[in-house]
Amino acid sequence: GEDVEQSLFLSVREGDSSVINCTYTDSSSTYLYWYKQEPGAGLQLLTYIFSNMDMKQDQRLTVLLNKKDKHLSLRIADTQTGDSAIYFCAESIDNQGGKLIFGQGTELSVKP
Amino acid sequence: KAGVTQTPRYLIKTRGQQVTLSCSPISGHRSVSWYQQTPGQGLQFLFEYFSETQRNKGNFPGRFSGRQFSNSRSEMNVSTLELGDSALYLCASSFLANQETQYFGPGTRLLVL
Repeated sequence: GEDVEQSLFLSVREGDSSVINCTYTDSSSTYLYWYKQEPGAGLQLLTYIFSNMDMKQDQRLTVLLNKKDKHLSLRIADTQTGDSAIYFCAESIDNQGGKLIFGQGTELSVKP
Repeated sequence: KAGVTQTPRYLIKTRGQQVTLSCSPISGHRSVSWYQQTPGQGLQFLFEYFSETQRNKGNFPGRFSGRQFSNSRSEMNVSTLELGDSALYLCASSFLANQETQYFGPGTRLLVL
């Protein structure tokens, strides 16, 4: 079945690293995504990883994918107060076009 | 390039009415998907259009419908509104279906009274 799970809350201190975790169930995922949503706004695409990769780095963001355990993580280095938002993990499924399955979102709170 | 635009941004309707929301994708993008976001259910897929054809549909009642025009702009319609239809409706566009990059608009916030 299609299911994506995330922990709901994460609190870190400014300057620390944040790690947001996600698990998914469908083994026919093609791409896995991380989106950011600030209050009252739409979703901002942060990064994505193809399902045959195990790591992708983009400036302060590092995505790790463990396909065997169906586990995805997003590490934000040197977390800033402006990173406070809700982070959604999502997967696209082979042969289902543009349909994305989203997790319930992790609210990241960055304290100064 | 301009991003995905959605109109209107805010809407208040009463139960039983119908509503039409509009989405203009990024120039050159041919795939448009719609999602409903509520505090209780999170982000749920409504449907996806590619080259004016509905390619995929989520588990929503027939009161939810959509279409795509030849210029890739898309509309979604909700008839006989219910209180539970109050939500943020988001659309996303990508160049082709199954593409790795889907970009979202700011959403239309619908309140049904």
